[in-house]
Amino acid sequence: EAQVTQNPRYLITVTGKKLTVTCSQNMNHEYMSWYRQDPGLGLRQIYYSMNVEVTDKGDVPEGYKVSRKEKRNFPLILESPSPNQTSLYFCASRSRLAGSTYNEQFFGPGTRLTVL
Amino acid sequence: AQRVTQPEKLLSVFKGAPVELKCNYSYSGSPELFWYVQYSRQRLQLLLRHISRESIKGFTADLNKGETSFHLKKPFAQEEDSAMYYCALGNLFYGQNFVFGPGTRLSVLP
Repeated sequence: EAQVTQNPRYLITVTGKKLTVTCSQNMNHEYMSWYRQDPGLGLRQIYYSMNVEVTDKGDVPEGYKVSRKEKRNFPLILESPSPNQTSLYFCASRSRLAGSTYNEQFFGPGTRLTVL
Repeated sequence: AQRVTQPEKLLSVFKGAPVELKCNYSYSGSPELFWYVQYSRQRLQLLLRHISRESIKGFTADLNKGETSFHLKKPFAQEEDSAMYYCALGNLFYGQNFVFGPGTRLSVLP
């Protein structure tokens, strides 16, 4: 089954304790993104990656890091989490642009992070 | 700068009534507009994209470049349509940047 998976689904941690949220897709997609979802703000893009070893900042990158060492994986790293990073996080992937159109993004199930 | 606005946080309608979820956008370049839906405790999924000009689950959306709008419409709402709806903009000029609106929660009452 084609899908995007994230782990863990729920995480409660404390300020300053480094954590990693994993994201994996089995569709051989080139493009992957991380979003955070907050009430009243919708989804905001944190980082995206166009291919292996190619990453770039989205709209709200502060406090986050990513890596893309393999095509299927795109982990999100919080080196020193703070309470304002408490949010619902979604990973997404899609295939390379076809012509002049965007291809559909496929989303993971989400990771609910609470930083105390 | 790219921006997507959805003026209604919550929209409540009765079953069988028409529904319209508003979306306006600002862009530089060639935008592509999408509607995503998120049912309770589920992941986001694509509902519509303007380039397809199709009807999904009875929903349609027309891109109005003059008004920079992409409103989502359905003539007869069903209870199973209750969900969070997000309008989103993909901008080829800005590469991979993809912007979502704040979302509208649709509640269809019996």
